[in-house]
Amino acid sequence: GENVEQHPSTLSVQEGDSAVIKCTYSDSASNYFPWYKQELGKGPQLIIDIRSNVGEKKDQRIAVTLNKTAKHFSLHITETQPEDSAVYFCAASTRTGGSYIPTFGRGTSLIVHP
Amino acid sequence: NAGVTQTPKFRVLKTGQSMTLLCAQDMNHEYMYWYRQDPGMGLRLIHYSVGEGTTAKGEVPDGYNVSRLKKQNFLLGLESAAPSQTSVYFCASTSGTGAGELFFGEGSRLTVL
Repeated sequence: GENVEQHPSTLSVQEGDSAVIKCTYSDSASNYFPWYKQELGKGPQLIIDIRSNVGEKKDQRIAVTLNKTAKHFSLHITETQPEDSAVYFCAASTRTGGSYIPTFGRGTSLIVHP
Repeated sequence: NAGVTQTPKFRVLKTGQSMTLLCAQDMNHEYMYWYRQDPGMGLRLIHYSVGEGTTAKGEVPDGYNVSRLKKQNFLLGLESAAPSQTSVYFCASTSGTGAGELFFGEGSRLTVL
């Protein structure tokens, strides 16, 4: 099955700095790579995603890049703000026999210091 | 605008007791999932369902059972709770028309003493 590694587990930055979280995956059949943000006491929420036919996607201060050859993808947050503090999860997924099973990384706790 | 609703939000059990967590979604989604979240372990899939009347095992199914008798509901049962099942449980759903966004509930925190 799919295996997703996520680094770092904790990331501390100053407000205004950039933050980068990296993930690698093992299954070359994976074709959908979402990123979720989980605020304290809440369920994860999708913030951005990318599909295997695209190398980069940007949404305001958030961008995701995908390197299918190396099987890794990254989340980039620019001009970080205190409200970006949360746990971020990457995931990789594909459809197998009618089932859609996302596999999640272990999460990165991002702390943005004012 | 309910989305995915989990009940109860908090529960304390004694070892050996049984309980059921209920997940309800109002988005007419085909696929539903139960995950558990433990510190440093991320989200691990317990069981999932690709449609009404179907269920399948995920990564960590032991000690849990599930049922999907109605499309909008996905139940997670613990027949004989163990301290190792102390965790935060999340239900999620997606439309199943293609690989896409999962919608999560707010979580259910279970403590087994």
